[in-house]
Amino acid sequence: SQQGEEDPQALSIQEGENATMNCSYKTSINNLQWYRQNSGRGLVHLILIRSNEREKHSGRLRVTLDTSKKSSSLLITASRAADTASYFCATVLTGANSKLTFGKGITLSVRP
Amino acid sequence: EPEVTQTPSHQVTQMGQEVILRCVPISNHLYFYWYRQILGQKVEFLVSFYNNEISEKSEIFDDQFSVERPDGSNFTLKIRSTKLEDSAMYFCASSAAHLGVGNTIYFGEGSWLTVV
Repeated sequence: SQQGEEDPQALSIQEGENATMNCSYKTSINNLQWYRQNSGRGLVHLILIRSNEREKHSGRLRVTLDTSKKSSSLLITASRAADTASYFCATVLTGANSKLTFGKGITLSVRP
Repeated sequence: EPEVTQTPSHQVTQMGQEVILRCVPISNHLYFYWYRQILGQKVEFLVSFYNNEISEKSEIFDDQFSVERPDGSNFTLKIRSTKLEDSAMYFCASSAAHLGVGNTIYFGEGSWLTVV
């Protein structure tokens, strides 16, 4: 498997529910970032968590990082239809400070 | 809020033609990047650029590709002889410092290249 694999690949929930998306990676990282992409649009940075951090919050977003399991999760609470998008985790590998390595992404659909 | 701007938003080109994609990174940023995303696939790193030279490049970034910062504001990606498989969305990005210190990359809206 590849660096930065998200699961599930697709998630469909009702507005108001929470959405949890997971990301696993293979090698040591410096930090991990989550991005959102609306269809055909650019990548919007959501949140960054460093390897020495375990949890971060930003508004309705909560990100956790477990370096022992090489995994991260993104929780969106009280989802809205406008949260419908693709979500990507991306890692900065230790020693590779000049690039992000992206996963394949999760397609989130929030039904009104 | 400052943003990365890219032109054109969409370009259609004949196979074998040269294409130049243009980007204006955020003004006080020092690190510049190009990524691409083939339709339905993941975002792939192409190249990073700092201090007027390439810092790192991927296997995709072969001799057909080049980057240039021709003046103080623009950052360009040139594809010398386009192939059908070059059809993709190309994203320019910039960051204030290198990513190892937890800096955020800011992406542009992308340039959609279609090679026919």
